[in-house]
Amino acid sequence: QVQLQESGPGLVKPSETLSLTCTVSGASINSNYWSWIRQTPGKGLEWIGYIDYSGTTNYSPSLKSRISIRLDTSKTQFSLKLSSVTPADTGIYFCARMDLYNSIWFSYFDSWGQGTLVTVSS
Amino acid sequence: DIQMTQSPSSLSASVGDRVSITCRASQNINKYLNWYQQKPGKAPKFLIYAASSLQSGVPSRFNGSGSGTDFTLTISSLQPEDFATYYCQKSYTPYTFGQGTKLEVK
Repeated sequence: QVQLQESGPGLVKPSETLSLTCTVSGASINSNYWSWIRQTPGKGLEWIGYIDYSGTTNYSPSLKSRISIRLDTSKTQFSLKLSSVTPADTGIYFCARMDLYNSIWFSYFDSWGQGTLVTVSS
Repeated sequence: DIQMTQSPSSLSASVGDRVSITCRASQNINKYLNWYQQKPGKAPKFLIYAASSLQSGVPSRFNGSGSGTDFTLTISSLQPEDFATYYCQKSYTPYTFGQGTKLEVK
């Protein structure tokens, strides 16, 4: 059974960088796609980006200039960095496994972490 | 970007009722549509992919239909554990979610 667990600071100051890590167990991080999704009061559920087993990334166009997602296969972890945060970035951040049905067009998020609340405030 | 719009935003129903939730895409997305269920304080749970295919382990009272721009999630006979918020999601990048439909006890 796949398990994911987010970790990182719960409070980040405006203009600083939000950094989160997702630790994966029960599945090989060298396969599948690994994603970050957030849930904010302003925009609801919002996909942030994903990284695949080869390290190729795909980011949300609206966040692309501020995002970096990395894979650490030795630690079975992947990470998110979101720079220049504002209070609008406050929300619950989820990591998730993304799987496919036949092709990348039929992608879905079938395993999720419990989520971690990040507040942007001075 | 393609926008996903759900209706209604909230819905009151009773155990045993049949309920339907609609999701509309701003452009044709064929059958590239997923559904999720979220309970308070929990992560979303994946229910349906390719508009109408049930994820393994999901009860058969859940049914998805539609293609193109209009999709429906139907629960044939509501159970107590089904009261939650439901989201649709476009299944190709950039992945976009609907705003959610909260299913409440009448």
